[in-house]
Amino acid sequence: TQLLEQSPQFLSIQEGENLTVYCNSSSVFSSLQWYRQEPGEGPVLLVTVVTGGEVKKLKRLTFQFGDARKDSSLHITAAQPGDTGLYLCAGPKTNDYKLSFGAGTTVTVRA
Amino acid sequence: NAGVTQTPKFRILKIGQSMTLQCAQDMNHNYMYWYRQDPGMGLKLIYYSVGAGITDKGEVPNGYNVSRSTTEDFPLRLELAAPSQTSVYFCASKTGAKYEQYFGPGTRLTVT
Repeated sequence: TQLLEQSPQFLSIQEGENLTVYCNSSSVFSSLQWYRQEPGEGPVLLVTVVTGGEVKKLKRLTFQFGDARKDSSLHITAAQPGDTGLYLCAGPKTNDYKLSFGAGTTVTVRA
Repeated sequence: NAGVTQTPKFRILKIGQSMTLQCAQDMNHNYMYWYRQDPGMGLKLIYYSVGAGITDKGEVPNGYNVSRSTTEDFPLRLELAAPSQTSVYFCASKTGAKYEQYFGPGTRLTVT
């Protein structure tokens, strides 16, 4: 059983469309991180959200942390083929130095 | 800085063979981690280390061993390889001050 549930598992959209990826848990997290992983490479951190209700923007990507700090979402506006990849959410377990990862959402943006 | 480096990139092992996956970082990070990634399962923690000489088990340690004799290096040893160990292995590191983990490029291991 995953501590962090991500949905959907797969998402395929046309260039220019918008998409949203969700990360949900029954547990409260002190923070949540979003990573993007491209084929054949390791995950790379996109953002860390710390405060309940927090919204962070990274160009066309908008990240939101739920008020209760149990969920987060990633919204991509006007998706481009370069946004293709595996998006992973992660949160610290009891001790901050260990992370629990969701299973990931594979996003494919077709040109 | 090279960041986190892993060798080899790919490896095929026969059942029962042993091997060591190498991981090194040049960022002077105290914390280092080994994960395995299987399709649809996310990243599972195998072992981690909070500093030289200190290691501890993660979620899925069976069949693996680690050592941390220096800050820079954190090798993962597979003894008596089994098909269930076919996976992509990632090494990661972080400082004590931040949440972000820095990942290596991964090692794709196939056991047949």
